[in-house]
Amino acid sequence: KAGVTQTPRYLIKTRGQQVTLSCSPISGHRSVSWYQQTPGQGLQFLFEYFSETQRNKGNFPGRFSGRQFSNSRSEMNVSTLELGDSALYLCASSLALSGGQTRTQYFGPGTRLTVL
Amino acid sequence: DQQVKQNSPSLSVQEGRISILNCDYTNSMFDYFLWYKKYPAEGPTFLISISSIKDKNEDGRFTVFLNKSAKHLSLHIVPSQPGDSAVYFCAASALSGNQFYFGTGTSLTVIP
Repeated sequence: KAGVTQTPRYLIKTRGQQVTLSCSPISGHRSVSWYQQTPGQGLQFLFEYFSETQRNKGNFPGRFSGRQFSNSRSEMNVSTLELGDSALYLCASSLALSGGQTRTQYFGPGTRLTVL
Repeated sequence: DQQVKQNSPSLSVQEGRISILNCDYTNSMFDYFLWYKKYPAEGPTFLISISSIKDKNEDGRFTVFLNKSAKHLSLHIVPSQPGDSAVYFCAASALSGNQFYFGTGTSLTVIP
């Protein structure tokens, strides 16, 4: 079974631009979460989607948004990029339990975003 | 507010010896815990998990111990191998929620 895929793997943007990152979960996984990783900060939770609905949102400004499609693929968008947005953005998918609870998450390779 | 903490940013161990990585949490509602291993420029790889109904789970060289009263878990790697050199993250979630909380990671170096 193919793993979680993320595109693009690397991206360079300038301040003020916007960016869209894409994530394809493992087949059959309906929950997709996004994280930002910066040096020394661990993985900071951005948001989680299940069945095209955002169920949880982390403590990030409104410039960070996302969506999920009917095939469970997800995109995240960052508008008006700032230098501090430079980070590794990770997507994780999970096979939600019958009640929709997510258990083990499986990560993609990430998208390295550099903002100049 | 960091609900999951890994207080040791780095750890060095000789090959063949035991590596012990520690993790503390503050939220008593957490009932599911995971360890991930991460190499540079790659996404985290799931290693092992434990439910709060257990206090130990073993998978090959990896064993996770959970002490609910102390809100502490640890990952033991025996014997340590140079290929184990990576950053290890612990994570926790609550059955009632769908969000995972991660620690800041511990960089393990296994010296040949």
